[in-house]
Amino acid sequence: SQQGEEDPQALSIQEGENATMNCSYKTSINNLQWYRQNSGRGLVHLILIRSNEREKHSGRLRVTLDTSKKSSSLLITASRAADTASYFCATPIPGTYKYIFGTGTRLKVLA
Amino acid sequence: DVKVTQSSRYLVKRTGEKVFLECVQDMDHENMFWYRQDPGLGLRLIYFSYDVKMKEKGDIPEGYSVSREKKERFSLILESASTNQTSMYLCASSYPAGQSNQPQHFGDGTRLSIL
Repeated sequence: SQQGEEDPQALSIQEGENATMNCSYKTSINNLQWYRQNSGRGLVHLILIRSNEREKHSGRLRVTLDTSKKSSSLLITASRAADTASYFCATPIPGTYKYIFGTGTRLKVLA
Repeated sequence: DVKVTQSSRYLVKRTGEKVFLECVQDMDHENMFWYRQDPGLGLRLIYFSYDVKMKEKGDIPEGYSVSREKKERFSLILESASTNQTSMYLCASSYPAGQSNQPQHFGDGTRLSIL
């Protein structure tokens, strides 16, 4: 099945540092969403970036989108221990109700 | 806030049993989805529904069926549970994707173990 590739698979940083995770697809990207999943819980929507946008900010989150490279990045600035979670990208398949999710990045922020 | 409620957080069943996983959303969303999540495999779509009584197969529908008799409720059925269906099951709902690419709202998941 189709999947987006995310890297790194896992990331461990100190509190206060920035965390960057990347997402790439083999298919063209329409709009792209980022989700967060705390351990043992469901996914929570963080931010959406539209195909005509190159960068978007929301609080400590900064998302970039490069449709020509079919890739996106999520930057979390000044990380906190509470940011420890898995992060997933997702993009809809045009003309369908389906989404392609990335493989996820496990972020651990050490206090 | 949108709330998607899955009936059980943890469930243990035996091989061969018929298993029902229930999901209810309170935002009048047209679309509802069932995924399973396994380590290293990410989220895989089992079935989705875009309206009452309407359903389409996802990427891994074998061994599963679904029911959507009311707009707010979407049930996943394991016809005859097998050990390879041990997994985390996630339900989600959303407005149609054409509406400005609405996000999906997820329940907290059901961790299902088949013994």
